[in-house]
Amino acid sequence: EMQLVQSGVEVKKPGESLKISCKASGYSFTTYWVGWVRQMPGKGLEWMGIIYPGDSDTRYSPSFQGQVTISADESSSTAYLQWSSLKASDTAVYYCARPRSSWDDGFDIWGQGTMVTVSS
Amino acid sequence: DIQMTQSPSSVSASVGDRVTITCRASQAFGSWLAWYQQKPGKAPQLLIYAASTLESGVPSRFSGSGSGTEFTLTISSLQPEDSATYYCQQANSFPLTFGGGTKVEIK
Repeated sequence: EMQLVQSGVEVKKPGESLKISCKASGYSFTTYWVGWVRQMPGKGLEWMGIIYPGDSDTRYSPSFQGQVTISADESSSTAYLQWSSLKASDTAVYYCARPRSSWDDGFDIWGQGTMVTVSS
Repeated sequence: DIQMTQSPSSVSASVGDRVTITCRASQAFGSWLAWYQQKPGKAPQLLIYAASTLESGVPSRFSGSGSGTEFTLTISSLQPEDSATYYCQQANSFPLTFGGGTKVEIK
């Protein structure tokens, strides 16, 4: 079964760093893009960025460029989303997702989401 | 960036009604558009890709159409389990973008 399994709930303080993960299984990790999507409380979906693990080609939404870093580790079939200094406004659920074929296709496999709460 | 504007933002309809959701793009592109359904506390689920192709396992009452700047998602006969928020997403160019969402409620 093809699936993405994300790391668990995080509660952090402003200014702290964080790296959340998205582990792929059931398919060839290096031949599909993996994207990240933010959903703030009670709000809609926002596309953050996407990475191709095969060559680490990474594209960011301008809204998130410089605010987060997306990476991938082929050896563990895991994609990551990280922050160097969290803000309260980073409080959200973060989803990873894989498109059906390439980046220009619908995302058919989603992780279960990682809830991140940033509060002093 | 391509901005996606969905309308309406919410709709309340009865079981059996036909519901249509529209997504307008700020610039024209082909058929690289997807539709998703999201229920509270759950990850989005792909319904339609390439503007009009039904994802495997999705009920046939869902359909998509359009190209250029206007796309539609239609639920031909609304069912209680269709209560959810629906999003469009353009996959024509980076950055990929979502519409603001349409909440569908059952009367």
